[in-house]
Amino acid sequence: DQQVKQNSPSLSVQEGRISILNCDYTNSMFDYFLWYKKYPAEGPTFLISISSIKDKNEDGRFTVFLNKSAKHLSLHIVPSQPGDSAVYFCAASRNAGNMLTFGGGTRLMVKP
Amino acid sequence: GAGVSQSPSNKVTEKGKDVELRCDPISGHTALYWYRQSLGQGLEFLIYFQGNSAPDKSGLPSDRFSAERTGGSVSTLTIQRTQQEDSAVYLCASSSTGFDGYTFGSGTRLTVV
Repeated sequence: DQQVKQNSPSLSVQEGRISILNCDYTNSMFDYFLWYKKYPAEGPTFLISISSIKDKNEDGRFTVFLNKSAKHLSLHIVPSQPGDSAVYFCAASRNAGNMLTFGGGTRLMVKP
Repeated sequence: GAGVSQSPSNKVTEKGKDVELRCDPISGHTALYWYRQSLGQGLEFLIYFQGNSAPDKSGLPSDRFSAERTGGSVSTLTIQRTQQEDSAVYLCASSSTGFDGYTFGSGTRLTVV
């Protein structure tokens, strides 16, 4: 049973436009959510996070939105740049623990 | 070191042989995790160490897989009698007590031929 799902395996966006990556979860006990970015031959790197007490967190070009009632979060990247091309994983944890459950990832391709 | 270090970075082994993968976490991080990413797949949890507690082995796919963490620091993931389906990138991550997410190593790419 996949508790964290990223239903789009890939996304292609033109440079300068907005990229929206989506993530759904089923466990209502999750209270902390993170996004990681992974380049080929490298480990995932932390990008941005959000606590369940918030519905939005922004860091430069990256914004994460959380809709608790829908158990849905999204990552917005604007404007998208070719260097953003990577696989993006969403992850969730519960009860301030440090055990993360990851989604399957979405491959973002930003075309120049 | 400043980051999580994994070795080797690449390993090619013959089917049926045993392999050992090493992870050196960030100093002071009490939690250590092993994940793997098979071709085209997401991150699959394998095992979790937290301090001196018994590890959470619930993600290990078979009894051919085992891991240990010595002295609360370095961890070794051992795969016995490797099979072709074991081919994947094995990722190690560590985190601190005050949880702020994982720091991952660059992974070990295991190819079983």
